Amino acid sequence: DAKTTQPTSMDCAEGRAANLPCNHSTISGNEYVYWYRQIHSQGPQYIIHGLKNNETNEMASLIITEDRKSSTLILPHATLRDTAVYYCIVRGPFGNTDKLIFGTGTRLQVFP
Amino acid sequence: KAGVTQTPRYLIKTRGQQVTLSCSPISGHRSVSWYQQTPGQGLQFLFEYFSETQRNKGNFPGRFSGRQFSNSRSEMNVSTLELGDSALYLCASSLVGAPQETQYFGPGTRLLVL
Repeated sequence: DAKTTQPTSMDCAEGRAANLPCNHSTISGNEYVYWYRQIHSQGPQYIIHGLKNNETNEMASLIITEDRKSSTLILPHATLRDTAVYYCIVRGPFGNTDKLIFGTGTRLQVFP
Repeated sequence: KAGVTQTPRYLIKTRGQQVTLSCSPISGHRSVSWYQQTPGQGLQFLFEYFSETQRNKGNFPGRFSGRQFSNSRSEMNVSTLELGDSALYLCASSLVGAPQETQYFGPGTRLLVL
């Protein structure tokens, strides 16, 4: 079973920041938080991941709470091409490494 | 660097047939995982291969099998196809499969079973 809980859907105006929340209250100390997105019928695209600290790359920022029980993916300036299903995944520990367990994700709709 | 490639991209089969799908990982990646995506069940893990050995397996019947070659390319096979096997089959690769490594997905093979 997925170890994360996400809202089913969200809307965001183009040009505004999209903040996608994720709850992972049972996360263990050595488990990573990963975010992927899937644009209709394409393969999932990696966005960002983190363990404890906040992370930023060219696509997004990841804010992880101090207790690590939740996180937020931030797309700073959403565009129409960001419309997709966003998956928050908890991954690890070693020994169960490559089993990405996907939940139902959040369907983000960016509107003009 | 080229991404993960999957062939074929689309496939139509009939019940009872078998099918083989192919995945070429990113150069240098030795871990390959397979996933099935259906509207009803979402994205589900099938199995993972590393160094030509199956290292992890999901909850799928024995009709689903796979293998990995010495060049890290992988194939998955589904025998005695059922209508419910219609799905998008995705392959993902990473260096060695550690939790801190990113898995990169291919575009998928869409299988339709009639």
